[in-house]
Amino acid sequence: GAVVSQHPSWVICKSGTSVKIECRSLDFQATTMFWYRQFPKQSLMLMATSNEGSKATYEQGVEKDKFLINHASLTLSTLTVTSAHPEDSSFYICSAEGGVTYEQYFGPGTRLTVT
Amino acid sequence: GNSVTQMEGPVTLSEEAFLTINCTYTATGYPSLFWYVQYPGEGLQLLLKATKADDKGSNKGFEATYRKETTSFHLEKGSVQVSDSAVYFCALRGGNAGNMLTFGGGTRLMVKP
Repeated sequence: GAVVSQHPSWVICKSGTSVKIECRSLDFQATTMFWYRQFPKQSLMLMATSNEGSKATYEQGVEKDKFLINHASLTLSTLTVTSAHPEDSSFYICSAEGGVTYEQYFGPGTRLTVT
Repeated sequence: GNSVTQMEGPVTLSEEAFLTINCTYTATGYPSLFWYVQYPGEGLQLLLKATKADDKGSNKGFEATYRKETTSFHLEKGSVQVSDSAVYFCALRGGNAGNMLTFGGGTRLMVKP
């Protein structure tokens, strides 16, 4: 139980285009989902926290107009990187909080490469 | 605020060697402590956790004890395998920081046959 999926697992896009990443909790309802960014050989940086049906809370330094987060249901959150640039290339990981123990369960990550 | 400090890697060991990865934390209140493991190209998996002082978390031969007096949660394994090669993250959650996870910088472990 407590499986979180992400789609796509990897994506390559051209500079200036937008990319949407989906995060789904497959077998539990997630009241809260988190989006992290991880640069090579570095730790995870929390980008934003989203609660179903409300606006996401962004960490300091994260542009909310560039990284659009939509938590439309208790099992789905999406992160859209708008007008992507090469510096947005990174590994994006989501986690979902829920289940009986309200643990955070992590998705497998999405590798974004912007050319 | 909360912070987690763990030893920098990479840590390179031979198979069957003893492993220790140090982790210390700073937090207000009474946080829960976690170790996560990240295999190459994958997301994070919870390895073990402890929710209160003197608790010992264990899983797959790994252990860590919540030491409040030294604010530490060191990860240990008596005999590592090549398949343990991964990046290990120490993290804390709770206390006065709510449900947010605060991660250490990660420690890369390389086990050679």
